[in-house]
Amino acid sequence: GESVGLHLPTLSVQEGDNSIINCAYSNSASDYFIWYKQESGKGPQFIIDIRSNMDKRQGQRVTVLLNKTVKHLSLQIAATQPGDSAVYFCAESTNTGNQFYFGTGTSLTVIP
Amino acid sequence: DSGVTQTPKHLITATGQRVTLRCSPRSGDLSVYWYQQSLDQGLQFLIQYYNGEERAKGNILERFSAQQFPDLHSELNLSSLELGDSALYFCASSVVDRPNYGYTFGSGTRLTVV
Repeated sequence: GESVGLHLPTLSVQEGDNSIINCAYSNSASDYFIWYKQESGKGPQFIIDIRSNMDKRQGQRVTVLLNKTVKHLSLQIAATQPGDSAVYFCAESTNTGNQFYFGTGTSLTVIP
Repeated sequence: DSGVTQTPKHLITATGQRVTLRCSPRSGDLSVYWYQQSLDQGLQFLIQYYNGEERAKGNILERFSAQQFPDLHSELNLSSLELGDSALYFCASSVVDRPNYGYTFGSGTRLTVV
């Protein structure tokens, strides 16, 4: 099956700094990507998505960058806040697929 | 509240037993996906239903089965439970039968097998 992996299992940042979470994927046919945030005891929560016809998409304090050449995805969180502490997953899907393939997650800890 | 309802939130049972997990999709969503999340495996896709029909199967064990009912709620049945089945079980729902317009997760059922 597809392989979606995260470069770093844990990340600690100072409150107010920017965070960057990286993700590599292996299926060049993947054309839809999502970042999810999962807080302890809760289900994954949608943050932002991007399709393969784009290389950048911005939301509120978050930006996703997609580099199809090297099959790399990143999530940038601006002015990281304590409430951003969670596990972040990237997930990929194809236009013909029925599921998302999830990475193992990166645990983000924001230091006040 | 995501709109996807899962019950129960917690379940503790013994090895060899059988349990049923329930999921009610978000209003208007026709597709339900089940995932298993364990510490060493991340989120693993189990099975998908769309409007009552099975659409895709992932890494679902033969001891596990699921169905989607006419009112669109879904149940995941886990039988002959083993210690290794202890995990969080999530369902997600989407409007269409493919996830590439994203989907919404429920808050999960934590299953502990003792």
